[in-house]
Amino acid sequence: NAGVTQTPKFRVLKTGQSMTLLCAQDMNHEYMYWYRQDPGMGLRLIHYSVGEGTTAKGEVPDGYNVSRLKKQNFLLGLESAAPSQTSVYFCASSYGGSSSPYEQYFGPGTRLTVT
Amino acid sequence: LAKTTQPISMDSYEGQEVNITCSHNNIATNDYITWYQQFPSQGPRFIIQGYKTKVTNEVASLFIPADRKSSTLSLPRVSLSDTAVYYCLVGQNYYNQGGKLIFGQGTELSVKP
Repeated sequence: NAGVTQTPKFRVLKTGQSMTLLCAQDMNHEYMYWYRQDPGMGLRLIHYSVGEGTTAKGEVPDGYNVSRLKKQNFLLGLESAAPSQTSVYFCASSYGGSSSPYEQYFGPGTRLTVT
Repeated sequence: LAKTTQPISMDSYEGQEVNITCSHNNIATNDYITWYQQFPSQGPRFIIQGYKTKVTNEVASLFIPADRKSSTLSLPRVSLSDTAVYYCLVGQNYYNQGGKLIFGQGTELSVKP
């Protein structure tokens, strides 16, 4: 049982390049999330999904796209990377379907630098 | 959307009890209070969650007064390994909240020998 895994762990991009971050979970969770964390800013939600085939915008969605084609995978795409997207990206997953926020399980993070 | 306010940092010594208070004056009726712990270079880890009064698990206690405008995370007898950032979150699940469950800046706890 690996929990939540993220690929890659590190990446350096040039401005304007594109890339996809992959998140996978083996806990059969309905909900999945992508966050970014910048120094002194805490975690900010980019996009989330409440089930296979569904996605929704979070607090800071601009410049990112997501897809949830399979229940266990949640992909985060950067179409044209900008230096402002230099950050640590965390994926998380949780059960869903009730009024209380279920415990979120986080991946180890992806450190992205855009030059 | 309930905004949370926590101290930016706290210091403690091994063996002491640490209490971290979070203010959330505009908490909604259906909001829950959740605390996470984050070590450097790792994702956050769930500690405890509550709605009212007191909740206790094997690692912490959560005290919530009747008006629910604040909450206190209590860590008994901290050790050096409790040095981390602690986040207070207030809200419902994402489906009801519309994706606005926010972590905030957290409290950096430093435990000294």
